[in-house]
Amino acid sequence: GESVGLHLPTLSVQEGDNSIINCAYSNSASDYFIWYKQESGKGPQFIIDIRSNMDKRQGQRVTVLLNKTVKHLSLQIAATQPGDSAVYFCAETPGGYNKLIFGAGTRLAVHP
Amino acid sequence: GAGVSQSPSNKVTEKGKDVELRCDPISGHTALYWYRQSLGQGLEFLIYFQGNSAPDKSGLPSDRFSAERTGGSVSTLTIQRTQQEDSAVYLCASSLVGDGADTQYFGPGTRLTVL
Repeated sequence: GESVGLHLPTLSVQEGDNSIINCAYSNSASDYFIWYKQESGKGPQFIIDIRSNMDKRQGQRVTVLLNKTVKHLSLQIAATQPGDSAVYFCAETPGGYNKLIFGAGTRLAVHP
Repeated sequence: GAGVSQSPSNKVTEKGKDVELRCDPISGHTALYWYRQSLGQGLEFLIYFQGNSAPDKSGLPSDRFSAERTGGSVSTLTIQRTQQEDSAVYLCASSLVGDGADTQYFGPGTRLTVL
């Protein structure tokens, strides 16, 4: 799969810096959230998830923060590397449903 | 283990022709999903299969689109009388139980171009 198009918001960072990618989700009934990474020509790759009963979850070099009050999700990537360059999508699952609702995506460009 | 696989990786067809896209989910996953990713738009849900339950077809854009899942494993998405606006990348995903809170793993997609 190819990452979505030509008009994505782009976050440019220097290699080694921390990156923060933000997402506003739409449904207050959503109870499960996922971040995916999509490189050119590939399908979305799972990064990290969080359930609505949590406000923070950490993985390897990544942290997801959830603020249900303002329906906001963020992905923090520590010590960003060139291999992190991709389009990042947040996705939500409204309670009782199984389909993912995806955000528009953010392109992360890492410069050496 | 093997991930989700899709075939073909690319498909070019003429307007009005029918196409079939195939998805092989991860072995043991009971839930299977189809999404579409169009240039300039995000990923949109098309259809969802879970075990022997009736599929959720709520995302199919028209009656030209249909999908089936045989034997609870392989799925085929069929688009009849293709139109240029059907051009997109079609992505398949599978998950272990499909309860709305388990991770969906995606295949590489099939890029469909309708001339």
